[in-house]
Amino acid sequence: DGGITQSPKYLFRKEGQNVTLSCEQNLNHDAMYWYRQDPGQGLRLIYYSQIVNDFQKGDIAEGYSVSREKKESFPLTVTSAQKNPTAFYLCASSIARKGTGELFFGEGSRLTVL
Amino acid sequence: ILNVEQSPQSLHVQEGDSTNFTCSFPSSNFYALHWYRWETAKSPEALFVMTLNGDEKKKGRISATLNTKEGYSYLYIKGSQPEDSATYLCASDKLVFGAGTILRVKS
Repeated sequence: DGGITQSPKYLFRKEGQNVTLSCEQNLNHDAMYWYRQDPGQGLRLIYYSQIVNDFQKGDIAEGYSVSREKKESFPLTVTSAQKNPTAFYLCASSIARKGTGELFFGEGSRLTVL
Repeated sequence: ILNVEQSPQSLHVQEGDSTNFTCSFPSSNFYALHWYRWETAKSPEALFVMTLNGDEKKKGRISATLNTKEGYSYLYIKGSQPEDSATYLCASDKLVFGAGTILRVKS
């Protein structure tokens, strides 16, 4: 079945460590996105990519990095520079350019920094 | 960040009740407004992407209207069922999301 796969579902990290969250899609979508959710807040955009080898910062990109070497994959690295990394992370993709097509979401990754 | 606001924050209704909630968004340079349903332990799923002022879209018992001039959209659920319990999110075409409305339907 077509869809978006995020891994791992749960991740624990010690302070000062980088961690990479995986996002893979087989929907043949050009655009991919990373969102963060904190309790009581809406989804906040971290990074997005509208085409391979290109990506743009979202509203809260500080402390995060991404790559888009393949159409299917958009991994997110949470670096030690991210001051408050404990959160729920959602990856999404869409067929159209940013804002015009519905988003298809993965099931999310919950990161806890110990 | 141009804010997208949703109200109410949460709603508890009885099975069979009809309900509605609101999404307000910046009306300048509007292109599209998205509605999503997010059930517990699942991924958010798109309900509607709305682009035209005055547009009304319907999916089963759920419908939505759009007013781009004043910057709001209403989501209606007719005859709520327990399976409608979820968080309903709206997002602007800038992909800025509101905080959501949590709906709980009691049987």
